[in-house]
Amino acid sequence: AQSVTQLDSHVSVSEGTPVLLRCNYSSSYSPSLFWYVQHPNKGLQLLLKYTSAATLVKGINGFEAEFKKSETSFHLTKPSAHMSDAAEYFCVVSADYGSSNTGKLIFGQGTTLQVKP
Amino acid sequence: SQTIHQWPATLVQPVGSPLSLECTVEGTSNPNLYWYRQAAGRGLQLLFYSVGIGQISSEVPQNLSASRPQDRQFILSSKKLLLSDSGFYLCAWSRSGLRGTSTGNTIYFGEGSWLTVV
Repeated sequence: AQSVTQLDSHVSVSEGTPVLLRCNYSSSYSPSLFWYVQHPNKGLQLLLKYTSAATLVKGINGFEAEFKKSETSFHLTKPSAHMSDAAEYFCVVSADYGSSNTGKLIFGQGTTLQVKP
Repeated sequence: SQTIHQWPATLVQPVGSPLSLECTVEGTSNPNLYWYRQAAGRGLQLLFYSVGIGQISSEVPQNLSASRPQDRQFILSSKKLLLSDSGFYLCAWSRSGLRGTSTGNTIYFGEGSWLTVV
């Protein structure tokens, strides 16, 4: 069975400093992994996704994530935090494999990113 | 481009009253459609998904139901709301017709509907 674990429930950084949001996954096959961002009282927006192409995935707003199979990790990074990055971030794995196409997603519990001026 | 709309954005309903949340997708055809619930600002739980008109799969037993009367319309309903139905409900869609090909189809979310049952 697939699962994701976000290692930090809350991360606080200063504006202009790097961001690291950690995610570990568990999957019995090659996973499809996503990072979504949710601003307060809003829907979820896709930041980036990994689907077995390049291991370093670049997303929107300067975010990127690296898939490391040996570490079963998919950490999200950004070189320089902006105040507008303050939000909830979800690491997500697709429950589909093979010919399955239900679109079911398994969500981590989320990491709240606080950006201090 | 594709867009997804859901409404109402917020509603407060008394216990025992009915519920109807609507969702429509534009700019695509035959999408997979989903209803998720997010309780207390935590991760999302998949409630229902649909791969076509009239085809609904339920993920968890609950007080809610879903219907898909048209290709790009997805409705979440309840006949009698419970306090535990309170939460943030998100409609979502993904492209379909890709069985047998690569997985990891991206899911796109609507803006969500806040439901408070009092």
